[in-house]
Amino acid sequence: GAVVSQHPSRVICKSGTSVKIECRSLDFQATTMFWYRQFPKQSLMLMATSNEGSKATYEQGVEKDKFLINHASLTLSTLTVTSAHPEDSSFYICSARETGETQYFGPGTRLTVL
Amino acid sequence: AQSVTQLDSHVSVSEGTPVLLRCNYSSSYSPSLFWYVQHPNKGLQLLLKYTSAATLVKGINGFEAEFKKSETSFHLTKPSAHMSDAAEYFCVVTYTGTASKLTFGTGTRLQVTL
Repeated sequence: GAVVSQHPSRVICKSGTSVKIECRSLDFQATTMFWYRQFPKQSLMLMATSNEGSKATYEQGVEKDKFLINHASLTLSTLTVTSAHPEDSSFYICSARETGETQYFGPGTRLTVL
Repeated sequence: AQSVTQLDSHVSVSEGTPVLLRCNYSSSYSPSLFWYVQHPNKGLQLLLKYTSAATLVKGINGFEAEFKKSETSFHLTKPSAHMSDAAEYFCVVTYTGTASKLTFGTGTRLQVTL
């Protein structure tokens, strides 16, 4: 149980294009989903928290117009990187929480912007 | 602010010998503590969690951790390392009333040699 998937696992795009990453909780309903960014050999940095049906809460320093988050259902959240640039290249990981404190993480999406 | 410190950025052990990964957290009334493992280019897998029940927590793959309030520690141990244990390990804390926001340690890379 408690499986979270992400799609795509890897994406390469040209500078200036937008990329959408999906995060799904496969066997439970996620009241809250989280998006993280991880730089090479570093820990995870929380970008935003999203609750189903409401606007995401962004961490300080994260551009909400750059990283659009939608949490349309209890099993799906999407992160759209708009007008991507090479500095947006990173490993993006989502997590989902049903109830309680435990978060279950997706396998991550490697974004490379050329 | 909540914080967690992983005392070793890199630990190397021989296969079959014990593993000790150290973690200290900032003091709080009711922390929840987790250990996650991340293999290269993968998401995070939950190893074990402490949520104010038994202080000795057993997790998957033979790992366990002991919550010691007096020392504000939550060290991860395993009696006998296996080659497949080589990965990055994150100690993570959250506190009641923080909307389940996780605070990550900087990670410990475990190397297992023959």
